Amino acid sequence: EVQLVESGGGLVQPGGSLRLSCAASGLSLRSYAMNWVRQAPGKGLEWVSTVSGSGGRTYNADSVKGRFTISRDNTKNTVYLQMNSLRAEDTAVYYCVKGRYYMDVWGKGTTVTVSS
Amino acid sequence: DIQLTQSPSFLSASVGDRVTITCRASQGTDNYLAWYQQKPGKAPKLLIYAASTLQSGVPSRFSGSGSGTEFTLTISSLQPEDFATYYCQQLNNYPLTFGGGTKVEI
Repeated sequence: EVQLVESGGGLVQPGGSLRLSCAASGLSLRSYAMNWVRQAPGKGLEWVSTVSGSGGRTYNADSVKGRFTISRDNTKNTVYLQMNSLRAEDTAVYYCVKGRYYMDVWGKGTTVTVSS
Repeated sequence: DIQLTQSPSFLSASVGDRVTITCRASQGTDNYLAWYQQKPGKAPKLLIYAASTLQSGVPSRFSGSGSGTEFTLTISSLQPEDFATYYCQQLNNYPLTFGGGTKVEI
């Protein structure tokens, strides 16, 4: 069974940092673009970042540009999201998602809460 | 950026009803348009990709159509397990964008 498992979420103060991880099982991620998508409490879905299969290209939403960095380690079959300078509006469930032209495998999500 | 406008944002329906949700894009998406279903507390699930291709394992009562800037998700006969929120997404250009969602309730 193909699974994506996120970890690293938690409570952090404004201005703080967190690193999310997404570990894959049941498939090798190296051939696939990977994404982070978030959902604030009671709100819709928001795309955050994408990394290409090789890791050579990354794309970020304007709302996180300069603060968040997506990366991957294909030897560990893992994708990361380094989040710096966190703000209250970054509070959300963060999903790790596989795919470029459609997102067919989603993790269960990890919750990030930014609050003092 | 490509803006996606879903309508309606809320839909009240009954079991057995035919339900149609529309997604309008502010510019063409080359049919890189997907539909997802999300139930409370769960991750979204891919239903349709490339505007009209049914994802493996998704019941055939779900269908997608459209091209250019106007797309439709249709549920031919609503089942109890279909009460959820539905989102469209364009994957043609970065930034990738989602529609605002359509909540389907009894």
